[in-house]
Amino acid sequence: AQKVTQTQTSISVVEKTTVTMDCVYETRDSSYFLFWYKQTASGEIVFLIRQDSYKKENATVGHYSLNFQKPKSSIGLIITATQIEDSAVYFCAMRAFNTGNYKYVFGAGTRLKVIA
Amino acid sequence: NAGVIQTPRHKVTGKGQEATLWCEPISGHSAVFWYRQTIVQGLEFLTYFRNQAPIDDSGMPKERFSAQMPNQSHSTLKIQSTQPQDSAVYLCASSLQTENSDYTFGSGTRLLVI
Repeated sequence: AQKVTQTQTSISVVEKTTVTMDCVYETRDSSYFLFWYKQTASGEIVFLIRQDSYKKENATVGHYSLNFQKPKSSIGLIITATQIEDSAVYFCAMRAFNTGNYKYVFGAGTRLKVIA
Repeated sequence: NAGVIQTPRHKVTGKGQEATLWCEPISGHSAVFWYRQTIVQGLEFLTYFRNQAPIDDSGMPKERFSAQMPNQSHSTLKIQSTQPQDSAVYLCASSLQTENSDYTFGSGTRLLVI
């Protein structure tokens, strides 16, 4: 069975600094997809960034990037130049490849607070 | 594109009553998912449809929960004889039918059973 673990319950950082949120996963599949989502205070959940397990390059979108360490089953989310509006809960998720089942397994989430 | 639409946004039911939650996925998205979110359990998978057919309902409490997708433009989640422990935010999401597709989530229905 797949499992996704986010051990950091909450993090506080000062605005304009860089933050890394950890995520480790368990799977028997050799190929899989890893996603990060952001849930704002209003409850809205939006997709941020994806890493395909068969790609060696770390994904980057805007000021979000990933630190993918496949041997450690780890996919960290890095946010550079943090802004107040980055304050939210961040979820890591995994989906297996080529199973025909598109459901995700989500981590418990990490609450990020960005302070001025 | 209005995104994934969920109605109602809030619902309060008395214990033992029935609750029906609605979801309208994004047009062209053939995969529709239902999740439940609580403080204690986080985001829990309930069920999902592909091209309107039920594919995986492994997360559904068997006795009182049911989901349907009668056409490509809407899905319903029905909870019979609601209990206080059913109180949660119920989220619907849709995606394209490709394995690397991300979800688009609706705003959720906050269900309170009193």
